[in-house]
Amino acid sequence: AQSVTQPDIHITVSEGASLELRCNYSYGATPYLFWYVQSPGQGLQLLLKYFSGDTLVQGIKGFEAEFKRSQSSFNLRKPSVHWSDAAEYFCAVGANNNDMRFGAGTRLTVKP
Amino acid sequence: EAGVAQSPRYKIIEKRQSVAFWCNPISGHATLYWYQQILGQGPKLLIQFQNNGVVDDSQLPKDRFSAERLKGVDSTLKIQPAKLEDSAVYLCASSLRTGEQYFGPGTRLTVT
Repeated sequence: AQSVTQPDIHITVSEGASLELRCNYSYGATPYLFWYVQSPGQGLQLLLKYFSGDTLVQGIKGFEAEFKRSQSSFNLRKPSVHWSDAAEYFCAVGANNNDMRFGAGTRLTVKP
Repeated sequence: EAGVAQSPRYKIIEKRQSVAFWCNPISGHATLYWYQQILGQGPKLLIQFQNNGVVDDSQLPKDRFSAERLKGVDSTLKIQPAKLEDSAVYLCASSLRTGEQYFGPGTRLTVT
Protein backbone atom coordinates (compact mmCIF):
# COMPACT_ATOMS: atom_id res chain seq x y z
CA ALA A 1 0.00 0.00 0.00
CA GLN A 2 1.19 3.50 -0.71
CA SER A 3 2.31 5.66 2.17
CA VAL A 4 4.30 8.78 2.93
CA THR A 5 6.57 9.39 5.89
CA GLN A 6 7.72 12.80 7.00
CA PRO A 7 10.18 12.04 9.80
CA ASP A 8 10.35 15.55 11.22
CA ILE A 9 7.24 16.78 13.00
CA HIS A 10 8.66 20.23 13.72
CA ILE A 11 11.71 22.08 12.42
CA THR A 12 13.05 25.47 13.50
CA VAL A 13 15.48 27.41 11.33
CA SER A 14 16.83 30.93 11.44
CA GLU A 15 15.79 33.39 8.78
CA GLY A 16 18.29 33.28 5.95
CA ALA A 17 19.42 29.75 6.74
CA SER A 18 18.98 26.84 4.38
CA LEU A 19 16.14 24.36 4.76
CA GLU A 20 15.62 20.70 3.95
CA LEU A 21 12.40 18.86 4.74
CA ARG A 22 12.49 15.09 4.41
CA CYS A 23 9.95 12.87 2.71
CA ASN A 24 10.06 9.11 2.15
CA TYR A 25 7.41 7.23 0.25
CA SER A 26 6.23 3.74 -0.49
CA TYR A 27 4.43 3.20 -3.78
CA GLY A 28 3.90 0.19 -6.00
CA ALA A 29 4.30 1.92 -9.34
CA THR A 30 6.04 5.01 -10.64
CA PRO A 31 4.90 7.69 -8.25
CA TYR A 32 3.66 11.18 -8.81
CA LEU A 33 5.13 13.22 -5.94
CA PHE A 34 3.98 16.54 -4.57
CA TRP A 35 4.84 19.10 -1.92
CA TYR A 36 2.10 21.33 -0.51
CA VAL A 37 2.24 24.21 1.97
CA GLN A 38 -0.54 25.12 4.39
CA SER A 39 -0.63 28.41 6.29
CA PRO A 40 -2.83 28.65 9.41
CA GLY A 41 -6.51 28.70 8.52
CA GLN A 42 -5.77 28.25 4.84
CA GLY A 43 -6.15 25.46 2.35
CA LEU A 44 -3.18 23.71 0.82
CA GLN A 45 -1.14 25.28 -1.96
CA LEU A 46 0.96 23.27 -4.37
CA LEU A 47 4.68 24.13 -4.21
CA LEU A 48 5.95 21.66 -6.81
CA LYS A 49 5.38 18.25 -8.31
CA TYR A 50 7.37 15.47 -9.95
CA PHE A 51 5.97 13.22 -12.65
CA SER A 52 8.97 12.19 -14.71
CA GLY A 53 12.12 13.51 -16.31
CA ASP A 54 14.62 15.70 -14.51
CA THR A 55 14.82 14.53 -10.90
CA LEU A 56 15.47 18.05 -9.61
CA VAL A 57 12.20 19.97 -9.66
CA GLN A 58 11.83 23.71 -9.26
CA GLY A 59 8.74 25.13 -7.62
CA ILE A 60 7.21 28.37 -6.50
CA LYS A 61 8.59 30.64 -3.77
CA GLY A 62 12.17 29.49 -4.40
CA PHE A 63 11.62 25.87 -3.36
CA GLU A 64 13.08 22.83 -5.09
CA ALA A 65 12.89 19.09 -4.50
CA GLU A 66 14.96 16.15 -5.63
CA PHE A 67 13.52 12.73 -6.46
CA LYS A 68 15.84 9.87 -5.49
CA ARG A 69 14.35 6.55 -6.59
CA SER A 70 17.05 4.47 -4.88
CA GLN A 71 16.24 6.08 -1.53
CA SER A 72 12.47 6.43 -2.11
CA SER A 73 12.84 10.05 -1.12
CA PHE A 74 11.58 13.41 -2.32
CA ASN A 75 13.16 16.02 -0.04
CA LEU A 76 12.20 19.68 -0.23
CA ARG A 77 14.90 22.35 -0.07
CA LYS A 78 15.25 26.10 0.00
CA PRO A 79 18.62 27.87 0.11
CA SER A 80 17.51 30.85 2.22
CA VAL A 81 14.37 30.81 4.35
CA HIS A 82 12.17 33.88 4.80
CA TRP A 83 9.94 34.55 7.81
CA SER A 84 6.90 34.16 5.54
CA ASP A 85 7.85 30.52 4.91
CA ALA A 86 6.66 29.56 8.40
CA ALA A 87 3.84 27.09 7.76
CA GLU A 88 2.98 23.39 7.63
CA TYR A 89 4.47 21.42 4.75
CA PHE A 90 2.98 18.22 3.37
CA CYS A 91 4.50 15.66 1.05
CA ALA A 92 2.08 13.57 -1.00
CA VAL A 93 2.24 10.62 -3.39
CA GLY A 94 -0.31 9.44 -5.89
CA ALA A 95 -1.11 8.29 -9.37
CA ASN A 96 -1.40 11.71 -10.96
CA ASN A 97 -4.47 13.16 -9.25
CA ASN A 98 -5.84 9.84 -8.13
CA ASP A 99 -5.29 7.91 -4.93
CA MET A 100 -3.43 10.74 -3.20
CA ARG A 101 -1.75 9.94 0.12
CA PHE A 102 -0.39 12.70 2.31
CA GLY A 103 2.27 12.61 4.99
CA ALA A 104 1.55 13.86 8.50
CA GLY A 105 3.28 17.15 7.79
CA THR A 106 6.28 19.10 9.06
CA ARG A 107 5.70 22.34 10.88
CA LEU A 108 8.33 24.97 10.06
CA THR A 109 9.14 27.75 12.51
CA VAL A 110 11.42 30.59 11.35
CA LYS A 111 13.44 32.43 13.98
CA PRO A 112 14.25 36.10 13.34
CA GLU B 1 -10.33 33.44 -11.21
CA ALA B 2 -12.39 32.55 -8.15
CA GLY B 3 -11.02 29.78 -5.96
CA VAL B 4 -12.72 26.83 -4.34
CA ALA B 5 -15.45 28.03 -1.99
CA GLN B 6 -16.55 26.18 1.12
CA SER B 7 -19.18 26.87 3.74
CA PRO B 8 -19.56 27.08 6.59
CA ARG B 9 -16.05 27.87 7.76
CA TYR B 10 -16.74 26.68 11.29
CA LYS B 11 -19.35 24.38 12.81
CA ILE B 12 -19.89 23.13 16.33
CA ILE B 13 -22.39 20.33 16.92
CA GLU B 14 -23.13 17.74 19.57
CA LYS B 15 -22.47 14.07 18.99
CA ARG B 16 -25.26 12.19 17.25
CA GLN B 17 -26.36 15.35 15.45
CA SER B 18 -26.10 15.68 11.69
CA VAL B 19 -24.11 18.25 9.70
CA ALA B 20 -23.59 19.15 6.06
CA PHE B 21 -20.77 20.95 4.29
CA TRP B 22 -20.94 22.64 0.92
CA CYS B 23 -18.27 23.05 -1.75
CA ASN B 24 -18.27 25.05 -4.97
CA PRO B 25 -15.28 24.12 -7.14
CA ILE B 26 -13.43 26.25 -9.63
CA SER B 27 -15.49 26.69 -12.78
CA GLY B 28 -14.73 24.04 -15.35
CA HIS B 29 -13.00 21.66 -12.97
CA ALA B 30 -14.36 18.18 -13.58
CA THR B 31 -12.74 16.51 -10.59
CA LEU B 32 -13.75 17.25 -7.01
CA TYR B 33 -12.28 15.83 -3.81
CA TRP B 34 -13.27 15.82 -0.15
CA TYR B 35 -10.52 15.34 2.42
CA GLN B 36 -10.61 14.96 6.19
CA GLN B 37 -7.72 16.52 8.10
CA ILE B 38 -7.54 15.59 11.77
CA LEU B 39 -5.38 17.81 13.94
CA GLY B 40 -1.73 16.84 13.63
CA GLN B 41 -2.28 14.66 10.56
CA GLY B 42 -2.17 15.08 6.83
CA PRO B 43 -5.33 15.21 4.73
CA LYS B 44 -7.05 11.90 4.09
CA LEU B 45 -9.06 11.48 0.91
CA LEU B 46 -12.68 10.65 1.66
CA ILE B 47 -14.20 10.74 -1.80
CA GLN B 48 -13.29 11.77 -5.34
CA PHE B 49 -15.80 12.70 -8.04
CA GLN B 50 -15.25 12.90 -11.78
CA ASN B 51 -18.10 15.12 -12.98
CA ASN B 52 -21.02 13.65 -10.99
CA GLY B 53 -19.67 10.11 -10.79
CA VAL B 54 -17.70 8.64 -7.89
CA VAL B 55 -14.11 7.64 -8.76
CA ASP B 56 -12.91 6.63 -5.30
CA ASP B 57 -14.78 6.40 -2.01
CA SER B 58 -12.74 3.61 -0.47
CA GLN B 59 -11.92 5.62 2.67
CA LEU B 60 -15.38 7.10 3.21
CA PRO B 61 -17.12 5.72 6.35
CA LYS B 62 -20.30 4.95 4.50
CA ASP B 63 -22.32 4.10 7.60
CA ARG B 64 -22.34 7.76 8.58
CA PHE B 65 -20.81 9.82 5.76
CA SER B 66 -22.41 10.56 2.43
CA ALA B 67 -21.56 12.89 -0.42
CA GLU B 68 -23.15 13.93 -3.63
CA ARG B 69 -22.30 16.11 -6.58
CA LEU B 70 -25.45 16.89 -8.45
CA LYS B 71 -25.06 18.24 -11.98
CA GLY B 72 -21.30 17.80 -11.72
CA VAL B 73 -20.69 21.17 -10.07
CA ASP B 74 -21.37 21.84 -6.38
CA SER B 75 -20.98 19.12 -3.82
CA THR B 76 -22.22 18.43 -0.31
CA LEU B 77 -20.70 16.17 2.32
CA LYS B 78 -22.95 14.99 5.13
CA ILE B 79 -22.27 13.30 8.44
CA GLN B 80 -25.15 11.60 10.23
CA PRO B 81 -24.84 10.92 13.11
CA ALA B 82 -21.62 12.65 14.09
CA LYS B 83 -19.12 11.15 16.51
CA LEU B 84 -16.46 12.85 18.60
CA GLU B 85 -13.74 11.46 16.33
CA ASP B 86 -15.24 13.31 13.37
CA SER B 87 -13.82 16.56 14.75
CA ALA B 88 -11.51 17.72 11.97
CA VAL B 89 -11.08 20.16 9.12
CA TYR B 90 -12.93 19.09 5.98
CA LEU B 91 -11.17 20.24 2.84
CA CYS B 92 -12.61 20.39 -0.63
CA ALA B 93 -10.36 20.50 -3.68
CA SER B 94 -10.93 20.56 -7.41
CA SER B 95 -8.87 20.00 -10.51
CA LEU B 96 -9.07 19.55 -14.21
CA ARG B 97 -8.92 15.89 -15.24
CA THR B 98 -5.16 16.08 -14.83
CA GLY B 99 -3.09 18.70 -13.12
CA GLU B 100 -2.92 20.60 -9.90
CA GLN B 101 -5.49 20.24 -7.15
CA TYR B 102 -6.76 23.57 -5.82
CA PHE B 103 -7.89 23.52 -2.22
CA GLY B 104 -10.56 25.52 -0.48
CA PRO B 105 -10.06 27.04 3.00
CA GLY B 106 -11.81 24.15 4.73
CA THR B 107 -14.59 23.75 7.27
CA ARG B 108 -13.51 23.22 10.87
CA LEU B 109 -15.93 20.84 12.59
CA THR B 110 -16.00 20.43 16.35
CA VAL B 111 -18.14 17.63 17.78
CA THR B 112 -18.84 17.94 21.51
